[in-house]
Amino acid sequence: DVKVTQSSRYLVKRTGEKVFLECVQDMDHENMFWYRQDPGLGLRLIYFSYDVKMKEKGDIPEGYSVSREKKERFSLILESASTNQTSMYLCASSFNSELSTDTQYFGPGTRLTVL
Amino acid sequence: AQTVTQSQPEMSVQEAETVTLSCTYDTSESNYYLFWYKQPPSRQMILVIRQEAYKQQNATENRFSVNFQKAAKSFSLKISDSQLGDTAMYFCAFMKRRDDKIIFGKGTRLHILP
Repeated sequence: DVKVTQSSRYLVKRTGEKVFLECVQDMDHENMFWYRQDPGLGLRLIYFSYDVKMKEKGDIPEGYSVSREKKERFSLILESASTNQTSMYLCASSFNSELSTDTQYFGPGTRLTVL
Repeated sequence: AQTVTQSQPEMSVQEAETVTLSCTYDTSESNYYLFWYKQPPSRQMILVIRQEAYKQQNATENRFSVNFQKAAKSFSLKISDSQLGDTAMYFCAFMKRRDDKIIFGKGTRLHILP
C-alpha cells in the first residue's frame, strides 16, 4: 500500500513563527503536492513538485515556500505564520502522468492553528 | 481553465438508502479523468472511483457507481445500500490527461443516519 505520512496531526504556533510541515511518501512517486483545505473552499493547491529540487506554484502560494531535497520528502514552510494560515494542510503524491495514470495519494493531514 | 462544481454542500440519508451526489465540470479538453474522493471524519482522503473520459461505460466499485454524461459535463456518484461508514466529505475532482494536477470541487458532506 502507498503510504504518505505527515509529521504532525495537530500543530499550534504563534504569529510570526517559522513553521515547517513535513511530508514523506514511500512509493517512489515523482510528484508531490501541498494543499490547504478550508470549509466551503475545498482543496486548494499551494505548491507542487515534479522532481527533486523542482517546484511549481499552485493557486495560493503567497506566504508559503517549499523544499524538496530528496525524492521521498516534501516540506512546506510558512516563513512567518499568520492567523489566516490556520487551516488543514494535506500532502499528496503521485507518479508522473507521462508514466502512469494513477491517482494522487493523500496523507492524514496537519491541522495547523496560528494564534 | 477547468472548474468543478458540487451543488450540494451537505446531505443526509437513512442507512440502507441510495444517495446520489452531483458534480458538474467545465473544460474544453477531450481527454481527461474524473474522480470521486472520500474523506471520513478525522481520517485520510481516499479514492472512491475514477472515470476515464474516453470510456463510455460508467465506472463501478462495489456499492459505488457513477453516471458520467460527457456531453452534459456531469459526473454524479451513486451510493447504493448506504452504510454508516459512508459518512464522509466527498470531493469530485478533474484531471487533464498528461497533467499532474487535480482540480477539486468544494465537497459534499454526507451524513448516513442510523
